[in-house]
Amino acid sequence: NAGVTQTPKFRILKIGQSMTLQCTQDMNHNYMYWYRQDPGMGLKLIYYSVGAGITDKGEVPNGYNVSRSTTEDFPLRLELAAPSQTSVYFCASSFVPGGEQYFGPGTRLTVT
Amino acid sequence: AQTVTQSQPEMSVQEAETVTLSCTYDTSESDYYLFWYKQPPSRQMILVIRQEAYKQQNATENRFSVNFQKAAKSFSLKISDSQLGDAAMYFCAYRSPVISSGSARQLTFGSGTQLTVLP
Repeated sequence: NAGVTQTPKFRILKIGQSMTLQCTQDMNHNYMYWYRQDPGMGLKLIYYSVGAGITDKGEVPNGYNVSRSTTEDFPLRLELAAPSQTSVYFCASSFVPGGEQYFGPGTRLTVT
Repeated sequence: AQTVTQSQPEMSVQEAETVTLSCTYDTSESDYYLFWYKQPPSRQMILVIRQEAYKQQNATENRFSVNFQKAAKSFSLKISDSQLGDAAMYFCAYRSPVISSGSARQLTFGSGTQLTVLP
C-alpha cells in the first residue's frame, strides 16, 4: 500500500498560469479532501469528495476546482494562479466520513 | 463556526523530560472529536492521538496522553520521556460528528506549536 500519493512535490508557477495537483490513494477510500497550509498556520479545507462523481466546497474553495471520476483519484485544478495561492497543499482520504484521515506528503506551490 | 487556538507558537523540552502542549477550542456542539497531529520536517501529517467528546476518560497512546476538560473546552497533549524524534510541529484539530454517509466533516486546525527537543 502506497497510501496517499501526491505529485508534484514542488512547483513554481507564474501569475496567471494553470496547473493540476494530482492525488491518488490505493486504500479504496470513498472520502477524499484537499487542504492548504499557509506558513505558520494550520490546514484549511479547500474541497472534499464523498465518492466518485460527488464533490463539495470546503472553507476556502475560491480559485480552485476539483473532479472525482474514480475512487482513487482526486485532482485539484488551479486556474489563473495568484500569489495568494502560494502554499503547501495536502490531499487526504478516509474510509468512513468520521474516520481517521490519511494524509499525502504535500505539494509546495509558489506563485510568483 | 468552530475555532481552535494554540497559544504556544514554540515550546522546547529536554530529552527524557515531560512537556505539555495547550489547545483550546470554541464550539456550541455537545458531541465532537479532537485530535493531535504531528508534522515533522518531512511535512507528513501523522495522527498522534484522538479523543471522542462523549468519553470522559482521557485518551493515551504510549508516551502521549491528553488532558480533556470538556467544560473548559481545553485539550492539552502531554508527551512523557521526550525523544529527539518527537521534535515537530504539533497541530490540535477539531471535527464535528458525522450526520450521514453522504456528508463529510472537515478538520479545523489550530495554528500549531513547534516543539524542539534538546539533547
